[in-house]
This record gives sequence, structure tokens and C-alpha cells, in this order.
Amino acid sequence: NAGVTQTPKFQVLKTGQSMTLQCAQDMNHEYMSWYRQDPGMGLRLIHYSVGAGITDQGEVPNGYNVSRSTTEDFPLRLLSAAPSQTSVYFCASSYSRGYSPLHFGNGTRLTVT
Amino acid sequence: DAKTTQPTSMDCAEGRAANLPCNHSTISGNEYVYWYRQIHSQGPQYIIHGLKNNETNEMASLIITEDRKSSTLILPHATLRDTAVYYCIVRVPYNQGGKLIFGQGTELSVKP
Repeated sequence: NAGVTQTPKFQVLKTGQSMTLQCAQDMNHEYMSWYRQDPGMGLRLIHYSVGAGITDQGEVPNGYNVSRSTTEDFPLRLLSAAPSQTSVYFCASSYSRGYSPLHFGNGTRLTVT
Repeated sequence: DAKTTQPTSMDCAEGRAANLPCNHSTISGNEYVYWYRQIHSQGPQYIIHGLKNNETNEMASLIITEDRKSSTLILPHATLRDTAVYYCIVRVPYNQGGKLIFGQGTELSVKP
């Protein structure tokens, strides 16, 4: 059982480049979300989805796009990377009913130069 | 979702109980209390959650006050591997729009 898988683990981008961070889960979870974590800070919610075809904004959505075409995948797109997006990105998933706990991936470490 | 307040840091001696407090004075009736921890730069790990009754699992115990305005996470016999940042979070169910919003957490250092 792979759980939540994030790729790549590390990425370096130049300012203005675009890229997609991949997140996949094999637990048939309806709820998926993206967080970013900056040094010495807690996690901040970027976007989330309660099911295929449904997405919504979190605390810090600017500069990021998401889509949810399947239950398993929830990619995060940076259309034009900026140095302020240098961070560690975590994807998490859960059953959406009740109070099921979130399962987190191991993160993608992104540096924008 | 209600906000939480936690101490920035705490120390605990190895083998002793670690008691981590959390204030959530604006919690509403359908919001649960969750605890997660993050070791180094790994993804956060779920520990325990509860509504109003005390809860216990293989990792920890959760004590929620009767008025639900505060709670305490108890690690009964802390080990060096329990050194981590511990996050207390309150939220409504996902299907009612609830999002898991992390605060700054408590950095717990377990010392030999």
C-alpha cells in the first residue's frame, strides 16, 4: 500500500518557469489537499478538493492552480514560478466523511532561483 | 474553523510523561480536536482526535476539558524519538467545509 505519493522529491526552477507537482493516492480518498511549509513555520493550506471535479482555495492560493479529474490524482501547477514559492510542498488525503484523519506524503522540496 | 493557541516549546525528560496543552476557547459544537506531529521535515503524522470524551490509542491520550475550551495531549512515556513539533487543530467535517488549518505548534524536545 503506497499511501500518498509525491513526485518529484526535489526540484530547482528558474523564475518564470512552469511545472507541475504530482500527488497520487491509492486509498480511494475523496478529500485531497496541498500545503506549503516555509522554514520555521507551520503548514499553510494552498488548495483542496472534496472529490473529483471539485476544488477550492485555501489560505494561500495565489500563484497556484489545481484540478481533480480523477479520485487518485491532485496535481499542483505553478504557471510562472517566483522565488517566493521556494518551499516544501506536502500533499495530503483523507476520506471526506466524518472526521477521518489526513494522510500526508513525504513532500517536494522546491527551490526557485 | 476555530483557532488554537499552543506554547512555542517544551522540554521533557526521557521516560517521563509529556503533557502538551492547547487552548481552543472559540471551538464550536461540531468541531473535533486533532493532534498531529512533524518530525524533522517529514510529512505530518496523525496522532489522535476527539470531540468531548477523553481518547486513548497506542500513541497517546487526549484529555478534553468539560467546556471543550482546552485539551491536553499526553505521551505517557516520552522517548527521544518523540522529539517533534506537535500541532493542535480544530475543525468541522470535510463535507461541511472544514479545512485542516495548522498553527505554529509546540516544539517538544525530549532530553536524556
